[in-house]
Amino acid sequence: QQQVKQSPQSLIVQKGGIPIINCAYENTAFDYFPWYQQFPGKGPALLIAIRPDVSEKKEGRFTISFNKSAKQFSLHIMDSQPGDSATYFCAASKGGNEKLTFGTGTRLTIIP
Amino acid sequence: NAGVTQTPKFQVLKTGQSMTLQCAQDMNHNSMYWYRQDPGMGLRLIYYSASEGTTDKGEVPNGYNVSRLNKREFSLRLESAAPSQTSVYFCASSERAGGNTGELFFGEGSRLTVL
Repeated sequence: QQQVKQSPQSLIVQKGGIPIINCAYENTAFDYFPWYQQFPGKGPALLIAIRPDVSEKKEGRFTISFNKSAKQFSLHIMDSQPGDSATYFCAASKGGNEKLTFGTGTRLTIIP
Repeated sequence: NAGVTQTPKFQVLKTGQSMTLQCAQDMNHNSMYWYRQDPGMGLRLIYYSASEGTTDKGEVPNGYNVSRLNKREFSLRLESAAPSQTSVYFCASSERAGGNTGELFFGEGSRLTVL
């Protein structure tokens, strides 16, 4: 049973556009929602994370929007660049539990 | 700092063969993990170790065993490899901060093909 559903599976955006990747979760006990970025041939790396006490978090060009009532959260990339082309994973965990449940990933391509 | 180091990076096995994937971290983290990554499936937790001397099953433990050799090293063993275990395997480590989930640091992966 997939506890974190991620969409779309792939996304192509022109440089400067704003790709949006969405995730939905089922378990209301989840209280930590990170996004990981993975380049080809590399392991995932933490990009940005949010807790449910805030509705939005920004770090540079990356923003997480969080909707607790809808049990959804999304990643926005402002002024996207070809170097942002990567696979992005959302994830969730509960109660400080270190066992993250990952989404299925979104392969993002930014075209010049 | 090397971070998380996995060996081997590539391996081809025949069905029924056994092998061990090695992982070592130099960040003095207490927790270590093994994930597998498959197309369309994301990252799925196989086993994890919250601290030296302890291990616990994740989402997909069948067909695998682990050993937390010491604080630095966490190995994953396939006793009798099956084609369904063809995957990219990632080791990761983390350290909690104030009781909250810490950032996972991943190795570069081990690509395993079982024929």
